[in-house]
Amino acid sequence: DGGITQSPKYLFRKEGQNVTLSCEQNLNHDAMYWYRQDPGQGLRLIYYSQIVNDFQKGDIAEGYSVSREKKESFPLTVTSAQKNPTAFYLCASSLGLAATGELFFGEGSRLTVL
Amino acid sequence: AQSVSQHNHHVILSEAASLELGCNYSYGGTVNLFWYVQYPGQHLQLLLKYFSGDPLVKGIKGFEAEFIKSKFSFNLRKPSVQWSDTAEYFCAVNDRDGGSQGNLIFGKGTKLSVKP
Repeated sequence: DGGITQSPKYLFRKEGQNVTLSCEQNLNHDAMYWYRQDPGQGLRLIYYSQIVNDFQKGDIAEGYSVSREKKESFPLTVTSAQKNPTAFYLCASSLGLAATGELFFGEGSRLTVL
Repeated sequence: AQSVSQHNHHVILSEAASLELGCNYSYGGTVNLFWYVQYPGQHLQLLLKYFSGDPLVKGIKGFEAEFIKSKFSFNLRKPSVQWSDTAEYFCAVNDRDGGSQGNLIFGKGTKLSVKP
Protein backbone atom coordinates (compact mmCIF):
# COMPACT_ATOMS: atom_id res chain seq x y z
CA ASP A 1 0.00 0.00 0.00
CA GLY A 2 1.39 3.39 -0.94
CA GLY A 3 1.42 6.03 1.71
CA ILE A 4 3.15 7.78 4.54
CA THR A 5 4.12 6.01 7.72
CA GLN A 6 4.82 7.92 10.90
CA SER A 7 6.19 6.37 14.06
CA PRO A 8 5.74 6.21 16.90
CA LYS A 9 2.07 7.05 17.13
CA TYR A 10 2.38 8.09 20.77
CA LEU A 11 5.53 9.21 22.52
CA PHE A 12 6.28 10.41 26.01
CA ARG A 13 9.40 12.34 26.83
CA LYS A 14 10.92 13.88 29.91
CA GLU A 15 11.89 17.51 29.83
CA GLY A 16 15.41 18.05 28.55
CA GLN A 17 15.43 15.03 26.26
CA ASN A 18 15.62 15.09 22.49
CA VAL A 19 13.24 12.86 20.59
CA THR A 20 13.12 11.86 16.93
CA LEU A 21 9.90 11.23 15.01
CA SER A 22 10.10 9.03 11.96
CA CYS A 23 8.42 9.67 8.62
CA GLU A 24 8.72 7.34 5.66
CA GLN A 25 6.93 7.54 2.31
CA ASN A 26 6.77 5.10 -0.58
CA LEU A 27 4.94 7.40 -2.96
CA ASN A 28 8.14 8.48 -4.74
CA HIS A 29 7.33 12.07 -3.86
CA ASP A 30 10.07 14.68 -4.03
CA ALA A 31 8.80 17.02 -1.34
CA MET A 32 8.21 16.25 2.32
CA TYR A 33 6.90 18.37 5.18
CA TRP A 34 6.49 18.47 8.93
CA TYR A 35 3.54 20.27 10.46
CA ARG A 36 2.57 20.81 14.05
CA GLN A 37 -1.12 20.73 14.97
CA ASP A 38 -2.35 22.21 18.22
CA PRO A 39 -6.03 22.32 19.27
CA GLY A 40 -7.72 25.33 17.73
CA GLN A 41 -4.51 26.38 15.97
CA GLY A 42 -4.66 24.62 12.64
CA LEU A 43 -1.46 23.32 11.05
CA ARG A 44 1.81 25.20 11.22
CA LEU A 45 4.80 24.33 9.05
CA ILE A 46 7.99 23.35 10.86
CA TYR A 47 10.31 22.32 8.02
CA TYR A 48 10.01 21.16 4.44
CA SER A 49 12.32 19.55 1.95
CA GLN A 50 12.08 19.68 -1.82
CA ILE A 51 14.97 17.35 -2.54
CA VAL A 52 17.42 15.05 -0.83
CA ASN A 53 20.03 16.83 1.30
CA ASP A 54 18.13 20.11 1.20
CA PHE A 55 15.48 21.54 3.51
CA GLN A 56 13.98 24.89 4.46
CA LYS A 57 12.62 26.30 7.68
CA GLY A 58 8.93 26.85 8.01
CA ASP A 59 7.14 29.26 10.31
CA ILE A 60 8.02 27.55 13.60
CA ALA A 61 11.41 25.85 13.09
CA GLU A 62 12.99 26.94 16.37
CA GLY A 63 13.77 23.98 18.60
CA TYR A 64 13.43 21.45 15.78
CA SER A 65 15.86 19.85 13.37
CA VAL A 66 15.46 17.61 10.31
CA SER A 67 17.52 15.64 7.84
CA ARG A 68 16.81 14.35 4.35
CA GLU A 69 19.44 11.76 3.53
CA LYS A 70 17.06 9.59 1.52
CA LYS A 71 14.15 10.53 -0.72
CA GLU A 72 11.72 8.39 1.24
CA SER A 73 12.68 9.51 4.74
CA PHE A 74 12.36 12.82 6.58
CA PRO A 75 12.86 12.43 10.35
CA LEU A 76 12.10 15.28 12.74
CA THR A 77 14.04 15.79 15.97
CA VAL A 78 12.33 17.74 18.71
CA THR A 79 15.16 19.14 20.77
CA SER A 80 15.24 20.24 24.37
CA ALA A 81 15.33 23.81 23.07
CA GLN A 82 11.70 23.55 21.95
CA LYS A 83 9.85 25.33 24.73
CA ASN A 84 6.43 23.78 24.24
CA PRO A 85 6.90 20.46 22.47
CA THR A 86 3.69 18.71 23.53
CA ALA A 87 1.69 18.56 20.32
CA PHE A 88 0.44 16.44 17.44
CA TYR A 89 2.97 16.21 14.61
CA LEU A 90 1.97 15.51 11.02
CA CYS A 91 4.26 14.50 8.20
CA ALA A 92 3.20 15.03 4.60
CA SER A 93 4.57 14.62 1.12
CA SER A 94 3.75 15.91 -2.34
CA LEU A 95 4.83 15.18 -5.87
CA GLY A 96 5.64 18.82 -6.51
CA LEU A 97 5.60 21.65 -4.02
CA ALA A 98 2.65 22.02 -1.67
CA ALA A 99 1.31 25.11 -3.36
CA THR A 100 0.94 23.42 -6.72
CA GLY A 101 -0.39 20.04 -5.79
CA GLU A 102 -1.92 17.77 -3.23
CA LEU A 103 -0.40 17.03 0.14
CA PHE A 104 -0.58 13.45 1.39
CA PHE A 105 -0.54 13.17 5.16
CA GLY A 106 0.49 10.48 7.61
CA GLU A 107 -1.53 9.47 10.66
CA GLY A 108 0.47 11.68 12.96
CA SER A 109 2.58 11.31 16.09
CA ARG A 110 1.41 12.64 19.43
CA LEU A 111 4.25 13.79 21.65
CA THR A 112 3.70 14.45 25.34
CA VAL A 113 6.40 15.97 27.48
CA LEU A 114 6.11 15.00 31.11
CA ALA B 1 1.82 38.53 8.24
CA GLN B 2 -0.10 36.30 5.91
CA SER B 3 -3.11 34.70 7.52
CA VAL B 4 -6.13 32.56 6.85
CA SER B 5 -9.33 32.98 8.87
CA GLN B 6 -12.01 30.38 9.28
CA HIS B 7 -15.01 32.02 10.86
CA ASN B 8 -16.57 29.16 12.71
CA HIS B 9 -14.82 26.92 15.20
CA HIS B 10 -17.66 24.40 15.47
CA VAL B 11 -20.75 24.03 13.30
CA ILE B 12 -23.60 21.70 14.20
CA LEU B 13 -26.17 20.80 11.55
CA SER B 14 -28.92 18.29 11.04
CA GLU B 15 -28.78 15.94 8.07
CA ALA B 16 -30.04 17.48 4.82
CA ALA B 17 -29.23 21.00 5.99
CA SER B 18 -27.12 23.20 3.72
CA LEU B 19 -23.56 23.97 4.67
CA GLU B 20 -21.34 26.97 4.14
CA LEU B 21 -17.98 27.26 5.87
CA GLY B 22 -16.23 30.57 5.58
CA CYS B 23 -12.58 31.13 4.69
CA ASN B 24 -10.87 34.48 4.22
CA TYR B 25 -7.21 35.19 3.55
CA SER B 26 -5.05 38.27 3.87
CA TYR B 27 -2.92 38.20 0.69
CA GLY B 28 -3.32 40.78 -2.00
CA GLY B 29 -1.74 38.90 -4.87
CA THR B 30 -2.32 35.69 -6.79
CA VAL B 31 -3.19 32.74 -4.62
CA ASN B 32 -3.68 29.00 -4.74
CA LEU B 33 -6.54 27.88 -2.50
CA PHE B 34 -7.33 24.53 -0.91
CA TRP B 35 -9.79 22.82 1.38
CA TYR B 36 -8.61 19.77 3.31
CA VAL B 37 -10.79 17.48 5.42
CA GLN B 38 -9.98 15.21 8.35
CA TYR B 39 -12.63 12.56 9.04
CA PRO B 40 -12.56 11.00 12.52
CA GLY B 41 -9.66 8.58 12.78
CA GLN B 42 -8.46 9.24 9.25
CA HIS B 43 -5.68 11.15 7.54
CA LEU B 44 -6.08 14.69 6.35
CA GLN B 45 -7.04 14.60 2.69
CA LEU B 46 -7.62 17.08 -0.11
CA LEU B 47 -11.25 18.03 -0.69
CA LEU B 48 -10.78 20.51 -3.52
CA LYS B 49 -8.41 23.16 -4.86
CA TYR B 50 -8.43 26.32 -6.95
CA PHE B 51 -5.53 27.65 -9.01
CA SER B 52 -7.17 29.63 -11.81
CA GLY B 53 -10.13 29.66 -14.18
CA ASP B 54 -13.73 29.08 -13.15
CA PRO B 55 -14.01 30.44 -9.61
CA LEU B 56 -16.56 27.77 -8.70
CA VAL B 57 -14.72 24.52 -8.11
CA LYS B 58 -16.17 21.13 -7.37
CA GLY B 59 -14.56 18.57 -5.13
CA ILE B 60 -15.24 15.12 -3.82
CA LYS B 61 -18.44 14.03 -2.07
CA GLY B 62 -20.58 16.85 -3.47
CA PHE B 63 -18.57 19.71 -1.98
CA GLU B 64 -17.88 22.91 -3.89
CA ALA B 65 -16.14 26.18 -3.15
CA GLU B 66 -16.34 29.62 -4.67
CA PHE B 67 -13.37 31.95 -5.00
CA ILE B 68 -14.41 35.59 -4.70
CA LYS B 69 -11.31 37.67 -5.30
CA SER B 70 -12.85 40.97 -4.25
CA LYS B 71 -13.77 39.50 -0.88
CA PHE B 72 -10.55 37.47 -0.42
CA SER B 73 -12.78 34.51 0.27
CA PHE B 74 -12.97 30.83 -0.60
CA ASN B 75 -16.06 29.49 1.12
CA LEU B 76 -16.90 25.80 1.15
CA ARG B 77 -20.47 24.71 0.43
CA LYS B 78 -22.60 21.62 0.26
CA PRO B 79 -26.34 21.74 -0.49
CA SER B 80 -27.32 18.84 1.76
CA VAL B 81 -25.01 17.39 4.41
CA GLN B 82 -24.92 13.81 5.57
CA TRP B 83 -23.90 12.31 8.90
CA SER B 84 -20.75 11.02 7.16
CA ASP B 85 -19.63 14.63 6.55
CA THR B 86 -18.84 14.96 10.24
CA ALA B 87 -15.18 16.00 10.18
CA GLU B 88 -12.78 18.87 10.65
CA TYR B 89 -12.31 21.13 7.63
CA PHE B 90 -9.21 23.21 6.96
CA CYS B 91 -8.80 26.02 4.46
CA ALA B 92 -5.25 26.59 3.16
CA VAL B 93 -3.73 29.29 1.00
CA ASN B 94 -0.46 29.88 -0.80
CA ASP B 95 0.65 33.28 -2.04
CA ARG B 96 2.02 32.56 -5.52
CA ASP B 97 3.56 35.99 -5.97
CA GLY B 98 5.61 36.40 -2.86
CA GLY B 99 5.51 33.40 -0.63
CA SER B 100 7.42 30.18 -0.71
CA GLN B 101 5.64 27.58 -2.73
CA GLY B 102 6.55 25.05 -0.09
CA ASN B 103 4.45 26.77 2.49
CA LEU B 104 0.72 26.45 2.68
CA ILE B 105 -0.84 28.63 5.35
CA PHE B 106 -3.66 26.75 7.06
CA GLY B 107 -6.65 28.15 8.87
CA LYS B 108 -7.44 26.97 12.37
CA GLY B 109 -10.08 24.56 11.15
CA THR B 110 -13.84 24.19 11.52
CA LYS B 111 -15.33 21.15 13.17
CA LEU B 112 -18.56 20.05 11.55
CA SER B 113 -20.93 17.81 13.48
CA VAL B 114 -23.92 16.46 11.57
CA LYS B 115 -26.77 15.07 13.65
CA PRO B 116 -28.56 12.07 12.12
